[in-house]
Amino acid sequence: DIQMTQSPSSLSASVGDSVTITCRASQTISKYLNWYQQKPGKAPNLLIYAASTLQSGVPSRFSGSGSGTDFTLTISSLQPEDFATYYCQQGSSPGATFGGGTRVEMK
Amino acid sequence: QVQLVESGGGVVQPGGSLRLACEASSFTFSSFDMHWVRQAPGKGPEWVSFIRSDGTTKYYPDALKGRFTISRDNSRNTVYLHMNNLRSEDTAVYYCAKHFYASGSYALDIWGQGTMVTVSS
Repeated sequence: DIQMTQSPSSLSASVGDSVTITCRASQTISKYLNWYQQKPGKAPNLLIYAASTLQSGVPSRFSGSGSGTDFTLTISSLQPEDFATYYCQQGSSPGATFGGGTRVEMK
Repeated sequence: QVQLVESGGGVVQPGGSLRLACEASSFTFSSFDMHWVRQAPGKGPEWVSFIRSDGTTKYYPDALKGRFTISRDNSRNTVYLHMNNLRSEDTAVYYCAKHFYASGSYALDIWGQGTMVTVSS
């Protein structure tokens, strides 16, 4: 099974900051990596698919990059509504393995 | 709007069984593959199962094979998760999610609100 490792597990940032989250796959998954945002008590919400394509309605301050085994999610100017937990998910097979998550907290 | 609504969660004793249901609305359910994903308290999401649109192909993680069974009834716009021999570690919120395949990537684009399953004596 493909394992997904995210770092950091948490970070503190201020409104307006740029933040970057990384995700590493245990084997190559080409560009088949998706990112989700989850807020407390809610289901995850798809932000980015295929490493860099924004899901409809997602603000352009979110961006993704990477291929192979190493991927990043960047939020260019953090907004109050962006404080949440972010998960990567490998999309190379129907078995949707998720990373452990990165909690973005207010500094 | 496109919606998924789970039901069937609750408290069950270890070794017990439970059947979860997820009813879809406002999209052509029979055309889409579906997933179940669970999330234990304070943990990340864990994929539980996948079923093709016509119900012919199903996938599970190795750790759950034999105890969990996914099925669907396209006439009722509903996907089910049958869980047997439940253990304390199965305690989680269970979500159903619609499969989204774009640019070669398998993703989950629509999620239900979740149903809580607690395994406890």
